[in-house]
Amino acid sequence: DSGVTQTPKHLITATGQRVTLRCSPRSGDLSVYWYQQSLDQGLQFLIQYYNGEERAKGNILERFSAQQFPDLHSELNLSSLELGDSALYFCASSVTGVDQPQHFGDGTRLSIL
Amino acid sequence: GDSVTQMEGPVTLSEEAFLTINCTYTATGYPSLFWYVQYPGEGLQLLLKATKADDKGSNKGFEATYRKETTSFHLEKGSVQVSDSAVYFCALITGNTGKLIFGQGTTLQVKP
Repeated sequence: DSGVTQTPKHLITATGQRVTLRCSPRSGDLSVYWYQQSLDQGLQFLIQYYNGEERAKGNILERFSAQQFPDLHSELNLSSLELGDSALYFCASSVTGVDQPQHFGDGTRLSIL
Repeated sequence: GDSVTQMEGPVTLSEEAFLTINCTYTATGYPSLFWYVQYPGEGLQLLLKATKADDKGSNKGFEATYRKETTSFHLEKGSVQVSDSAVYFCALITGNTGKLIFGQGTTLQVKP
């Protein structure tokens, strides 16, 4: 058990819809990261937050947004969903935001029908 | 940009065989290097890490040495078990963020 909790584990929805994925980091970790894992793109970094502020951005689509709340949990919002958004979305956390091992949750599997 | 390249899989071995999974990287600056493992249906788990040249990371019988001259971080284990069957990811971090850049992953299947 990594201590990182992601909900829900599975999400099935239709094109054009909007979903929210939730992540609770390990106790004491200030930084949260979001990654997308798909068969064609592999594991891709989306975005990082540190203590409530955006720290780094990767190949995150404009239809996607995220935030980190004062209690340090984070949400990833995906809107206007397309078939290609079907993937496994991982959240990870670390103590600081720099050069630290990241601890991953079990992921949310998103299926777009 | 920074990138990580891993050997193609799947790799199929018999129990107690020697394992090598090759990993090379391209990076500006001096990255920290990691190996993560993903068991079926689970998230990624940190296996080992190395933060500077010639460092050797080790855990659970796995080892990898940070080779700056060859920009490599190959994963090795002397005797694999069926329970080692999983997908292995090589990754790096550079700069002042925690952005992990992953290789494409290598699937290891160990047969009894």
